Amino acid sequence: EIVMTQSPATLSVSPGERATLSCRASQSVSSNLAWYQQKPGQAPRLLIYGASTRATGIPARFSGSGSGTEFTLTISSLQSEDFAVYYCQQYNNWPPNTFGQGTKLEIK
Amino acid sequence: QVQLVQSGAEVKKPGASVKVSCKVSGYTLTELSMHWVRQAPGKGLEWMGGFDPEDGETIYAQKFQGRVTMTEDTSTDTAYMELSSLRSEDTAVYYCATDQHYLGYFDYWGQGTLVTVSS
Repeated sequence: EIVMTQSPATLSVSPGERATLSCRASQSVSSNLAWYQQKPGQAPRLLIYGASTRATGIPARFSGSGSGTEFTLTISSLQSEDFAVYYCQQYNNWPPNTFGQGTKLEIK
Repeated sequence: QVQLVQSGAEVKKPGASVKVSCKVSGYTLTELSMHWVRQAPGKGLEWMGGFDPEDGETIYAQKFQGRVTMTEDTSTDTAYMELSSLRSEDTAVYYCATDQHYLGYFDYWGQGTLVTVSS
């Protein structure tokens, strides 16, 4: 099973600033990596797939990069609605699909 | 656009079973690969199982083998997830999620169903 590790667990950033979230895979997942955003009481929402392709309707301030074992989600200028928990998920080698433990992005 | 509407919250006793439904609209169930993901209170996301297009069958995470059954009623475009021998650790929100392009990521999600296991 591929283990996904996200860092940091919590990230405090001011609105308007840039946020950088990391995700590491225990073995190569090529570019088969997705990012999700989850707000309290809501289902996750797909942001990025293929490590860097934005899903339909996702603003351009969200960008993904990386391949192999190291990945990054960058939010270029944080808006109030961006404060949430973010999860990465590998789908290169499944079953099982595996998720990271999440990064909580909070207002500084 | 795919829409997924799940059944309502459930309270079950330890040892019982629960069956959660997920109604699809916008597409037919046969056009989609359906998966189930759960989230314990305050915890992360855990994949339970779903349709594997390479094998053409539903596969389950090893952790749930023997306790979970995922079925589909194509006449009503409704997917079901049944979990048996419930224990307190199964208290969680259960989500259905689609993999529209059969690649392994989840592009549409249901609203979630809270299952509480308590004596």
